[in-house]
Amino acid sequence: DAGITQSPRHKVTETGTPVTLRCHQTENHRYMYWYRQDPGHGLRLIHYSYGVKDTDKGEVSDGYSVSRSKTEDFLLTLESATSSQTSVYFCAISESGRGGSNEQFFGPGTRLTVL
Amino acid sequence: LAKTTQPISMDSYEGQEVNITCSHNNIATNDYITWYQQFPSQGPRFIIQGYKTKVTNEVASLFIPADRKSSTLSLPRVSLSDTAVYYCLVGDIRSGNTGKLIFGQGTTLQVKP
Repeated sequence: DAGITQSPRHKVTETGTPVTLRCHQTENHRYMYWYRQDPGHGLRLIHYSYGVKDTDKGEVSDGYSVSRSKTEDFLLTLESATSSQTSVYFCAISESGRGGSNEQFFGPGTRLTVL
Repeated sequence: LAKTTQPISMDSYEGQEVNITCSHNNIATNDYITWYQQFPSQGPRFIIQGYKTKVTNEVASLFIPADRKSSTLSLPRVSLSDTAVYYCLVGDIRSGNTGKLIFGQGTTLQVKP
């Protein structure tokens, strides 16, 4: 399995509090992604990074920010958590340079509950 | 980004071959077709990828017609452990600097004894 971890694995927080989720990789892969998964919606891309300090928005980026100061770490921040952000969050990594490969490796997920 | 359409759910029985078809009418010239599998409480896992014709690995086969507007994932002789959600995606991670793929809702495959 690809070396990718997420922390925390579970978190319960209250509306209005800031929350930061961490994704850490040991594979030195260029691309990193944050997805959320909700019943009936499948996986939806929040933000992604194509290099250190290079990030871009996905399809559901409102209310989220990200930072990538090192190759191995990609942080997802909810500045002021809302109940609609209760979800399972997955981090993924992928490697460029492999001919046409769209293979992403996913972390174990973080279950976030906002009360 | 190309949109994909696949059935929401499918049922099968152990030992049968399962074919899941995905439509992607506006696939771009440089897009690849990729399939992922997801078990409950786990992240998705890459199964197979192709550009045209047929690709086969130890897990599945992928059939892509000449016009590339659809693709079919074939799972030979499924078992109960193949019960999962299967996602079809089109795109190319290296396309420009976007590097992103879009997952749809996927197809929930239920394999029965």
